[in-house]
Amino acid sequence: DIEMTQSPSSLSASVGDRVTITCRASQSISRYLNWYQQKEGKAPRLLIYVASSLESGVPPRFSGSGSGTDFTLTISSLQPEDFATYYCQQTYSAPPAFGGGTKVEI
Amino acid sequence: QEQMVESGGAVVQPGKSLRLSCEASGFIFSGHGMHWVRQAPGAGLEWVALIWFDGTKPDYADSVKGRFTISRDNTKNTLYLQMNFLRAEDTAVYYCARDTWRDGHTTFDKWGQGTLVTVSS
Repeated sequence: DIEMTQSPSSLSASVGDRVTITCRASQSISRYLNWYQQKEGKAPRLLIYVASSLESGVPPRFSGSGSGTDFTLTISSLQPEDFATYYCQQTYSAPPAFGGGTKVEI
Repeated sequence: QEQMVESGGAVVQPGKSLRLSCEASGFIFSGHGMHWVRQAPGAGLEWVALIWFDGTKPDYADSVKGRFTISRDNTKNTLYLQMNFLRAEDTAVYYCARDTWRDGHTTFDKWGQGTLVTVSS
């Protein structure tokens, strides 16, 4: 099975900061990488699919990049509503594994 | 609007059984594969099971294989998860998630609100 490792596991940032989260796959997954946002007590929300495509309704301050084994999620200017936990997920092969999550805190 | 509502979560003793349901509305349920994903308290997301749009090809995480069964009734727009021989480590919020292909690959593009399963004596 493919394992997904995110770093850091948590970070502190301020409104307006540029934030970058990294996700690494244990083997090449091409560009089959999704990013999700989860706020406390809520269900996850799809942000980005196939590494860099923005889901409808997601603000353009979110962007994704990468291919192969290394991927990044970037928030260009952190907003108050962006404080949440972010998960990557590979869908290259079954099972569709998630990373451990990155909690973005104030 | 598109939504999915889970139900069936409860407190159950180890070794017992429970069935979760996920009722979908606002979209063509029979056109999508469906997943169950769980989240233990304070932990990350764990994929549990998948079923194709037509009810075929169920697949399971190793942690639940042989104990859990995913099924669906497209006439009722409902997804199910039958959980048998429950263990303490199955304690989690269980989410159903819709599978939609974008650019040729799977996304979990819609999620229910989750239902809590607690396994405790």
